[in-house]
Amino acid sequence: AQKVTQAQTEISVVEKEDVTLDCVYETRDTTYYLFWYKQPPSGELVFLIRRNSFDEQNEISGRYSWNFQKSTSSFNFTITASQVVDSAVYFCALSVPLIQGAQKLVFGQGTRLTINP
Amino acid sequence: DVKVTQSSRYLVKRTGEKVFLECVQDMDHENMFWYRQDPGLGLRLIYFSYDVKMKEKGDIPEGYSVSREKKERFSLILESASTNQTSMYLCASNFDGAYEQYFGPGTRLTVT
Repeated sequence: AQKVTQAQTEISVVEKEDVTLDCVYETRDTTYYLFWYKQPPSGELVFLIRRNSFDEQNEISGRYSWNFQKSTSSFNFTITASQVVDSAVYFCALSVPLIQGAQKLVFGQGTRLTINP
Repeated sequence: DVKVTQSSRYLVKRTGEKVFLECVQDMDHENMFWYRQDPGLGLRLIYFSYDVKMKEKGDIPEGYSVSREKKERFSLILESASTNQTSMYLCASNFDGAYEQYFGPGTRLTVT
């Protein structure tokens, strides 16, 4: 069965430190997609990135970067020079085919990140 | 901007009441989803719909039903609310294919 594991329940760092959020997934599908979402205190999940299983290039977007390694089934997320506004719960998710073209997301447990000033 | 709205941010209901949670999206998405979020468990899929009047069970459908009479609207129904249904409920929508899902702000439901 498909599964996503985020082993870090909570992380607390001081502003400007770099921080990496780990994500390990399990799937037997050969084609799949991985996602990261951010959930700030307001509650709404905000989409950050989507990655397909055939693209192992690392991606960088400003202070955010993602490292996808198929060999270790990992999709880790790094925030460089963290800021207080980065404080949130972060979810890693894996797509699973349903029917009629729909795909559901299987989520990890989430990592609560606190950036202290 | 994609917008997914949910009828209430906070809701308090009594055990045994019938509860309706409404979700509306404005992007003409085919697919709509209801998840519940519990601490330490992440988000789990309750039901989804891939077209008007079409619905499928997710991973935890027991105690819930859904309705999709119009493409933009997807309702979650708790026929007889119980205390173990106290949770955060999140609605999402997207196009066909493994595209990102867009989420509403969530409804925090408390059943007493």
